Amino acid sequence: AQSVTQLGSHVSVSEGALVLLRCNYSSSVPPYLFWYVQYPNQGLQLLLKYTSAATLVKGINGFEAEFKKSETSFHLTKPSAHMSDAAEYFCAVSLDYSSYKLIFGSGTRLLVRP
Amino acid sequence: DARVTQTPRDKVTEMGQEVTMRCQPILGHNTVFWYRQTMMQGLELLAYFRNRAPLDDSGMPKDRFSAEMPDATLATLKIQPSEPRDSAVYFCASGLGDPGLAGEQFFGPGTRLTVL
Repeated sequence: AQSVTQLGSHVSVSEGALVLLRCNYSSSVPPYLFWYVQYPNQGLQLLLKYTSAATLVKGINGFEAEFKKSETSFHLTKPSAHMSDAAEYFCAVSLDYSSYKLIFGSGTRLLVRP
Repeated sequence: DARVTQTPRDKVTEMGQEVTMRCQPILGHNTVFWYRQTMMQGLELLAYFRNRAPLDDSGMPKDRFSAEMPDATLATLKIQPSEPRDSAVYFCASGLGDPGLAGEQFFGPGTRLTVL
């Protein structure tokens, strides 16, 4: 069965430090992969997506993610955390090319310390 | 600026009452998804539509939940009767269903439902 695993329900970093949020997927077919961000009391917003083009994907707000097929990973990184990055981040995979259903991970809450 | 809209944003009701949540997908989008988000269960897919036809509602409690798309600009999620365990944030999302967009979904702001 297809699934997405996000390691760490909470990640805490200092402002200016590297952000690394982990996502692993299981799939028997080439996946489409997404990272969404959810700010308090808001809906989910797309950060970036992988669609089998470049393996390093750049998104909004300085985030990027690298697709590594050998590791079945799609980790999200940002070189320098900003206070405004504090939010919940969801990794998702789309494996059904007809319905475009997304399977979401359980989310990682990013805390940024001053 | 095209976006998904949801009404109401907040709803407080008493157990046993009917609740209707509405969603206006982005114009031109042909897939609509309903999700429920709780602290315990995270984000759960309840139902989704393609070209207004329900494709899968296996995530929805059938006895009390129903989802419809009366037309291309309106999707509804109804709970009757509501129970305290239905308290959650309900999100609607829409997408173009285009291979080039890889299934990207655009989320509305959500309806926060509290059932007392």
